Amino acid sequence: AQSVSQHNHHVILSEAASLELGCNYSYGGTVNLFWYVQYPGQHLQLLLKYFSGDPLVKGIKGFEAEFIKSKFSFNLRKPSVQWSDTAEYFCAVIGNQAGTALIFGKGTTLSVSS
Amino acid sequence: KAGVTQTPRYLIKTRGQQVTLSCSPISGHRSVSWYQQTPGQGLQFLFEYFSETQRNKGNFPGRFSGRQFSNSRSEMNVSTLELGDSALYLCASSFLGQHTDTQYFGPGTRLTVL
Repeated sequence: AQSVSQHNHHVILSEAASLELGCNYSYGGTVNLFWYVQYPGQHLQLLLKYFSGDPLVKGIKGFEAEFIKSKFSFNLRKPSVQWSDTAEYFCAVIGNQAGTALIFGKGTTLSVSS
Repeated sequence: KAGVTQTPRYLIKTRGQQVTLSCSPISGHRSVSWYQQTPGQGLQFLFEYFSETQRNKGNFPGRFSGRQFSNSRSEMNVSTLELGDSALYLCASSFLGQHTDTQYFGPGTRLTVL
């Protein structure tokens, strides 16, 4: 069965620290990969997505993610976090035959202290 | 453009009752997907509707059902409520429901079953 694993449940950083959130997926075919973010009191919103081409994708607010096919990974990075990045981050995958059925990881809570 | 709206935002029901949740997608979007979010299971795909037809279904019992109207608005129904149905129910819309489309999420309906 398809699955997504996010390694860190809760990450605590100081402002200006670098961020890397791990995401591994299990899926037998071609996949499309997403990172969503949920800021406190707000809707889930898309940070970035990867379908094909350059495996390094850039998203909103300075986030980027790298797709490494051999490792089944799609880690999220940001060189310098801000207090406003405090949120819950979800990695998700869709198979090409799966329509809109996003399979989500359990999420990582990021707390940034100023 | 208005975002995805969900009503009601909060709902309290007792075991055995049934409930109907409503979702209005972004104008022009034809695909509506539903997800259940719980602390234990995370975000799980329920089903997707496109042009009034259920196109994809997750692994949930038949007590969970839905429909879509000609204006793309969607409803989901849960019959014979169980305590474990307490969750945040999220609706997401996308333009054509293709795996490459961005899904835009609503604020959710918080259902509590007593």
